[in-house]
Amino acid sequence: AQSVTQLDSHVSVSEGTPVLLRCNYSSSYSPSLFWYVQHPNKGLQLLLKYTSAATLVKGINGFEAEFKKSETSFHLTKPSAHMSDAAEYFCVVSFNSGGYQKVTFGTGTKLQVIP
Amino acid sequence: DGGITQSPKYLFRKEGQNVTLSCEQNLNHDAMYWYRQDPGQGLRLIYYSQIVNDFQKGDIAEGYSVSREKKESFPLTVTSAQKNPTAFYLCASGGRGLFGTEAFFGQGTRLTVV
Repeated sequence: AQSVTQLDSHVSVSEGTPVLLRCNYSSSYSPSLFWYVQHPNKGLQLLLKYTSAATLVKGINGFEAEFKKSETSFHLTKPSAHMSDAAEYFCVVSFNSGGYQKVTFGTGTKLQVIP
Repeated sequence: DGGITQSPKYLFRKEGQNVTLSCEQNLNHDAMYWYRQDPGQGLRLIYYSQIVNDFQKGDIAEGYSVSREKKESFPLTVTSAQKNPTAFYLCASGGRGLFGTEAFFGQGTRLTVV
């Protein structure tokens, strides 16, 4: 079984300050981990992914995430928030089972950026 | 440009009616997926198809039906048996093993029962 927990349903930061969105996972197998972003009434866009290569993963728009196996975490960070970062962010865990990727989505974290 | 297209963007349905949501992709992807999104619940898998003429139930398939007659198309029908159909529906496609590579999502269809 696998699960993913996004620890905060809402995060509010001031423009120009750091962003931290937390994600913890549970998986019996070596997982792949992803962060997706969703702007209002839009589809999901891939920010970054970890697939057992480098533990520090750099994504688009200045975001990065670090895979920490000992802590079962994959937190998303950005040094300086921009107004355009306001959106909902989903942490996703998946592993390969019989050629099909078993995928579990987190419940999402809404990021608010205050001017 | 390659991509995945969902239509319509907004859809209203009367109680007791069936309604079909369209999903088309020109990415030559084998696998296609339908998700339902409700506030605070993330995305839940309704149905998926890994190849033409084959599809499997996801976690919340009751009250929904799909077909996969063409590689490019994976329409979702929300039937009158679905007790709470008002939601945001997202279609996705990917190569074999959806999340081994990037998954591409459509822009979504917001269905409202009136």
